[in-house]
Amino acid sequence: DAGVTQSPTHLIKTRGQQVTLRCSPKSGHDTVSWYQQALGQGPQFIFQYYEEEERQRGNFPDRFSGHQFPNYSSELNVNALLLGDSALYLCASSLGTGVREQYFGPGTRLTVT
Amino acid sequence: GQSLEQPSEVTAVEGAIVQINCTYQTSGFYGLSWYQQHDGGAPTFLSYNALDGLEETGRFSSFLSRSDSYGYLLLQELQMKDSASYFCAVRAADSWGKLQFGAGTQVVVTP
Repeated sequence: DAGVTQSPTHLIKTRGQQVTLRCSPKSGHDTVSWYQQALGQGPQFIFQYYEEEERQRGNFPDRFSGHQFPNYSSELNVNALLLGDSALYLCASSLGTGVREQYFGPGTRLTVT
Repeated sequence: GQSLEQPSEVTAVEGAIVQINCTYQTSGFYGLSWYQQHDGGAPTFLSYNALDGLEETGRFSSFLSRSDSYGYLLLQELQMKDSASYFCAVRAADSWGKLQFGAGTQVVVTP
């Protein structure tokens, strides 16, 4: 049973560039949530996708956008990268939008220089 | 708004018991979750409390008091592999799909 997978594992970008991160949910899950985790901090909720629509959004600017595909996989796009966007980006999947238990992927480490 | 408070670090020896407290402020409340994260790893789900009381899962137990907006995670018979960060996370009534995490407690287990 495949767990949550994310790609790429590491990424280095320059300030002002755009980046796309990818996530495949755990088999049988239909909901994907994205989180940003700065070093030494807890994950911060970015948004949640269910039925190909953004259902909940955290306090992140419009530079952060996403998409969910019919196979439940998801993408996170960040435009106009800032140095402060450097973080670990985590994807979590669940069955339904209630977040009683989420399964996290290993994350994508993004470094903006 | 919402906020969660938990201690930043706890150190204990192998075999000991550690309690990690979490207090929260939220507009409406559905439940309190606990996650474990080893350095460089993904957070993994430990427990969820929606009702008052104690939930036990092996060596780990979690407690919730809704009236006190307080919960704790109890780690018993500590093992070296329990060295990790532990996060409490709140599911609020006004944001069904959003999980808000605390800053985390670093648990250091020494021989």
